[in-house]
Amino acid sequence: DGGITQSPKYLFRKEGQNVTLSCEQNLNHDAMYWYRQDPGQGLRLIYYSQIVNDFQKGDIAEGYSVSREKKESFPLTVTSAQKNPTAFYLCASSMLGPYGYTFGSGTRLTVV
Amino acid sequence: QKEVEQDPGPLSVPEGAIVSLNCTYSNSAFQYFMWYRQYSRKGPELLMYTYSSGNKEDGRFTAQVDKSSKYISLFIRDSQPSDSATYLCAMSAPLGGANSKLTFGKGITLSVRP
Repeated sequence: DGGITQSPKYLFRKEGQNVTLSCEQNLNHDAMYWYRQDPGQGLRLIYYSQIVNDFQKGDIAEGYSVSREKKESFPLTVTSAQKNPTAFYLCASSMLGPYGYTFGSGTRLTVV
Repeated sequence: QKEVEQDPGPLSVPEGAIVSLNCTYSNSAFQYFMWYRQYSRKGPELLMYTYSSGNKEDGRFTAQVDKSSKYISLFIRDSQPSDSATYLCAMSAPLGGANSKLTFGKGITLSVRP
């Protein structure tokens, strides 16, 4: 079955650590996106990529980094520079153009 | 003014009620309109997709777009407890590349009481 897989489902980070969230899709979608979701704030775009080896900052890119070495994969690194990283992170993919997104099931990151 | 505004809720209705969820927008270039449903601790799933103005029906769900008023609605008939979720509207312009990214509303949480 085609879909988009995020791992892990839950992640705990100590202060000062970098952590990487995985996102893999087998839908042959060109575009991939990372969103952060906090209660009452909706979805906020962190980074997006429309082609391999290219990506663009979204609205809240500070403290995050991404790579797009393969069409299927778009990992997100939450760096120690992100001051408030506790949140629900969602990865999505789509065909290029005005199409709906397919979302993963999310990763809940907690700083301990 | 935000590009997309959605009633913040939450909304609680009895089982069997007709539910109306709404969004307004300011960008007249938007032509593709979507509704997503998100269950707790899950990713959003695409529920309805419409192009330009008009209505689209799928079972108990009807999506309505009024471009002249920049207003979209999702109606749920005979609401069920399983409809309890957060509903997000989203929209896009028909331009290529980065301009085709979706713009989301903040979402409204619906609770259907048995």
